Amino acid sequence: DQQVKQNSPSLSVQEGRISILNCDYTNSMFDYFLWYKKYPAEGPTFLISISSIKDKNEDGRFTVFLNKSAKHLSLHIVPSQPGDSAVYFCAASAILHDKIIFGKGTRLHILP
Amino acid sequence: DTGVSQNPRHKITKRGQNVTFRCDPISEHNRLYWYRQTLGQGPEFLTYFQNEAQLEKSRLLSDRFSAERPKGSFSTLEIQRTEQGDSAMYLCGQGATDTQYFGPGTRLTVL
Repeated sequence: DQQVKQNSPSLSVQEGRISILNCDYTNSMFDYFLWYKKYPAEGPTFLISISSIKDKNEDGRFTVFLNKSAKHLSLHIVPSQPGDSAVYFCAASAILHDKIIFGKGTRLHILP
Repeated sequence: DTGVSQNPRHKITKRGQNVTFRCDPISEHNRLYWYRQTLGQGPEFLTYFQNEAQLEKSRLLSDRFSAERPKGSFSTLEIQRTEQGDSAMYLCGQGATDTQYFGPGTRLTVL
């Protein structure tokens, strides 16, 4: 059973507009939620994380929103740039277990 | 660059052969993780170390897999009698619950 779900396999966004990547989870015991970006043939690159006690975290062009009642989080990228084209993974972790559980990823295409 | 290096970057082997991968982490992080990523999937947890102690192993880690972290520094992941289903990207990560940084990975192809 997938504990972290990314239901959109791909997303296309015009350059300069906002990209919104969505993620749902099932385990209410997660303590942190993380977003990673991955280019082909490279390891995942950490982007931003949020604690389960917060509802928003911002870092430059990246903002993550957490809605605990809906067990939903989203990553906003604004403005979108060509270099943002990659696969984005939503992930979650619990202090008790320490391992990260990843979703299957969403491929983001930034259109010129 | 996360400072986590992995070698080799690519490995092609024949079914039944043994392979070993190495991860060299940033020295000041005491937790080290191994994950496996197959096509179309997110990375899946295999095992992790706190210093030299292996604290958790996934059920994905069959008895053909063994990982070590002697002296709490670099780590090795060995796969014995490789099978075609072992073909994947093997990722090494460091950090903590809220932030894990990954190396570039080792791409294993079993023919």
